[in-house]
Amino acid sequence: NAGVMQNPRHLVRRRGQEARLRCSPMKGHSHVYWYRQLPEEGLKFMVYLQKENIIDESGMPKERFSAEFPKEGPSILRIQQVVRGDSAAYFCASSLRNGEGTEAFFGQGTRLTVV
Amino acid sequence: QKEVEQDPGPLSVPEGAIVSLNCTYSNSAFQYFMWYRQYSRKGPELLMYTYSSGNKEDGRFTAQVDKSSKYISLFIRDSQPSDSATYLCATNGGGTSYGKLTFGQGTILTVHP
Repeated sequence: NAGVMQNPRHLVRRRGQEARLRCSPMKGHSHVYWYRQLPEEGLKFMVYLQKENIIDESGMPKERFSAEFPKEGPSILRIQQVVRGDSAAYFCASSLRNGEGTEAFFGQGTRLTVV
Repeated sequence: QKEVEQDPGPLSVPEGAIVSLNCTYSNSAFQYFMWYRQYSRKGPELLMYTYSSGNKEDGRFTAQVDKSSKYISLFIRDSQPSDSATYLCATNGGGTSYGKLTFGQGTILTVHP
């Protein structure tokens, strides 16, 4: 029973390039959340998605960042025209449902380095 | 003021000690409280989930919530070197996004043999 799978684990991009981070939720989970962990900071919520829908994107930067969770395939977090400040660990979590008692399980993260 | 405050430590204890980790929160709307453990360069692992004031025990771990003072704690009994990690408290406000969590900064714990 695989957990939340994220790939790649490490990603290096030059300034101005695009970064695409993938997340496959746990089997049976249809709720996906993306978080960012900057050096010396805690985990910060970015976006919450269900299949084909963005439910809450209140933590997403207004520009260059987008997320999707298509009907088929993994959830994608896309960062366009990356800058050095985007260097961070990006974690995806998934849950079976959205309600009382919801437990979110995290993947191992993608560590993005912008050079 | 951060919504969830957590002393970042670091905290260093000898093997076998009782460890107390604490967080405070400011928003009365927060209903559910979690503790995650994060090993270096790994993802957070859910340890405990509570939603009412009082204690919840699971093996060597006890989570305590006091909603009147907005204070949450995690106690680790008989601590082991394998418990060395960063411990993150988290909470959510329910509403439409139960998985939208607000985290504390994390406390770095080292248990030395």
